[in-house]
Amino acid sequence: AQSVTQLDSHVSVSEGTPVLLRCNYSSSYSPSLFWYVQHPNKGLQLLLKYTSAATLVKGINGFEAEFKKSETSFHLTKPSAHMSDAAEYFCVVSASGGSYIPTFGRGTSLIVHP
Amino acid sequence: KAGVTQTPRYLIKTRGQQVTLSCSPISGHRSVSWYQQTPGQGLQFLFEYFSETQRNKGNFPGRFSGRQFSNSRSEMNVSTLELGDSALYLCASSLAPGQGANTEAFFGQGTRLTVV
Repeated sequence: AQSVTQLDSHVSVSEGTPVLLRCNYSSSYSPSLFWYVQHPNKGLQLLLKYTSAATLVKGINGFEAEFKKSETSFHLTKPSAHMSDAAEYFCVVSASGGSYIPTFGRGTSLIVHP
Repeated sequence: KAGVTQTPRYLIKTRGQQVTLSCSPISGHRSVSWYQQTPGQGLQFLFEYFSETQRNKGNFPGRFSGRQFSNSRSEMNVSTLELGDSALYLCASSLAPGQGANTEAFFGQGTRLTVV
């Protein structure tokens, strides 16, 4: 069994300040973890993924996430928010290897103020 | 190269009707997955096809079905539509099934289905 919890439904930051989007997961197997971004009326775009290699994962647009097994967390961060980062962010867990069914978090809406 | 194409983009249907949605994957991708996105339930996995075979299925009733053709294009069908089927249906394609190290999924823009 697996599940993912995004701890904040909305996060509001000012442009130029750091971003932290929190994600906790549970999985009976060695997990693969992903962060996706969805802009209005668009499909999802992969930001980054963890698949049992380096625990600090760097993604596109300056985002990164750290896999912490002891805390079962995979939080997404960015040092400095841009207006274009305003979107919905989804944390996803799936069992690595073999057949899988991905489980999505409920999403975090990132609001960026000028 | 062209991305994942979903048609139609918008659809309005009446309760009890059936609907077919189409997804054309990125050229060379053989795996197609379908997802339902609603405000109440969020994003939920429907099913995944690879080489014309359904590999995985989410927890949806049998009214939801799909298929994949030899050119990797996929269709999903919903019969006897209910009001609760109103949602954004997203399709994703990847080179191979599963979301392992080499199988990034690329999403289409979705088909927004409204059931009235």
